[in-house]
Amino acid sequence: AQTVTQSQPEMSVQEAETVTLSCTYDTSENNYYLFWYKQPPSRQMILVIRQEAYKQQNATENRFSVNFQKAAKSFSLKISDSQLGDTAMYFCAFSHSGGGADGLTFGKGTHLIIQP
Amino acid sequence: EPEVTQTPSHQVTQMGQEVILRCVPISNHLYFYWYRQILGQKVEFLVSFYNNEISEKSEIFDDQFSVERPDGSNFTLKIRSTKLEDSAMYFCASSISPTGTDTQYFGPGTRLTVL
Repeated sequence: AQTVTQSQPEMSVQEAETVTLSCTYDTSENNYYLFWYKQPPSRQMILVIRQEAYKQQNATENRFSVNFQKAAKSFSLKISDSQLGDTAMYFCAFSHSGGGADGLTFGKGTHLIIQP
Repeated sequence: EPEVTQTPSHQVTQMGQEVILRCVPISNHLYFYWYRQILGQKVEFLVSFYNNEISEKSEIFDDQFSVERPDGSNFTLKIRSTKLEDSAMYFCASSISPTGTDTQYFGPGTRLTVL
């Protein structure tokens, strides 16, 4: 079974700074998908970014980018020019690519606080 | 933009009572999921549903739980006899394609409080 580990329970940075959230995972599969979800205080889970394991190029979405290191099984999220609205819980998640309706496996999350 | 919706937003029930949590997935989606999040803990997968049957379920999804798609739009989670430890946030999600090939879109959640 796969596991997802987020080793930073909480992080705090100043507005406009760059912050990197760490995520490592364990799997024996060669092809899979990785996600970062954001959960603001309103509690709705929102997809931030998605990475397909067979793609070497790191995914980017505006201010959000990932550093995907497949051999190291590492999938960190970088937020550039952080904004107050980025304050939220961030969850790293893993899914199989087997073609079935597999559930996502989540990490415990990192609480990111953006200070004004 | 289409959204997953869930009702009610907050449900309070007595231990031993049955509850039904409702979800309306995005209309052209074919795969449906339930997750739960106990306060302060990580999100945990409960069950997935496709083609009118359960596709996968976790160890949490025991005989007290059931899911149903009673019509073309709703997707429900029933807990037959609630326990104190069922208190959690329950999220519904849906996707067009199987996990991974497409993103799962989450609803806003239902907070279930069992007294």
